[in-house]
Amino acid sequence: GAGVSQSPSNKVTEKGKDVELRCDPISGHTALYWYRQSLGQGLEFLIYFQGNSAPDKSGLPSDRFSAERTGGSVSTLTIQRTQQEDSAVYLCASSFAPSGANVLTFGAGSRLTVL
Amino acid sequence: SQQGEEDPQALSIQEGENATMNCSYKTSINNLQWYRQNSGRGLVHLILIRSNEREKHSGRLRVTLDTSKKSSSLLITASRAADTASYFCATDAGYSTLTFGKGTMLLVSP
Repeated sequence: GAGVSQSPSNKVTEKGKDVELRCDPISGHTALYWYRQSLGQGLEFLIYFQGNSAPDKSGLPSDRFSAERTGGSVSTLTIQRTQQEDSAVYLCASSFAPSGANVLTFGAGSRLTVL
Repeated sequence: SQQGEEDPQALSIQEGENATMNCSYKTSINNLQWYRQNSGRGLVHLILIRSNEREKHSGRLRVTLDTSKKSSSLLITASRAADTASYFCATDAGYSTLTFGKGTMLLVSP
């Protein structure tokens, strides 16, 4: 596609439920990133994919968070047993940077509200 | 942990004035980037400056980088109401991920 697409744009869920957030990166972009942005805060790195593998999962806050990427394209971020502190905007970005500068193209984000 | 820290946290100016935002970081970098985020939207890349560059221009944007002080500044000249947004610096230390600061919220009043 022309840009990075994320769905859903908004998700309201009850505490304890599982949620899945989807990211469709720019075609041909090999790298994919998930960040989290809480209200009025900066971006918190969650996980990075190069192709289908995740060399850096260091930002995942707990084992309730997992992510996968299939076919070197679409990625899904899953949050199990959601908690109120998981409420945030989840941003996905992709890039094509085999070498040199890594410039990210972001999606519009998925706003998650846990009641 | 946050690598870049922007200053000020918020800035309010009138149209036509210049806006200056600063970013400080802690470790060595390959490049530093600035992004803009309009309310409720994703981030948009504005400009990149490499570690061996000291100044770069793009339209009304001017970025400086001082690696000895580990700091950068973003200057927006002749600001417009449409420049109202949050601005983030992001550092690339060569580890394939960018580390973002908390941002400066800029309000440009007509």
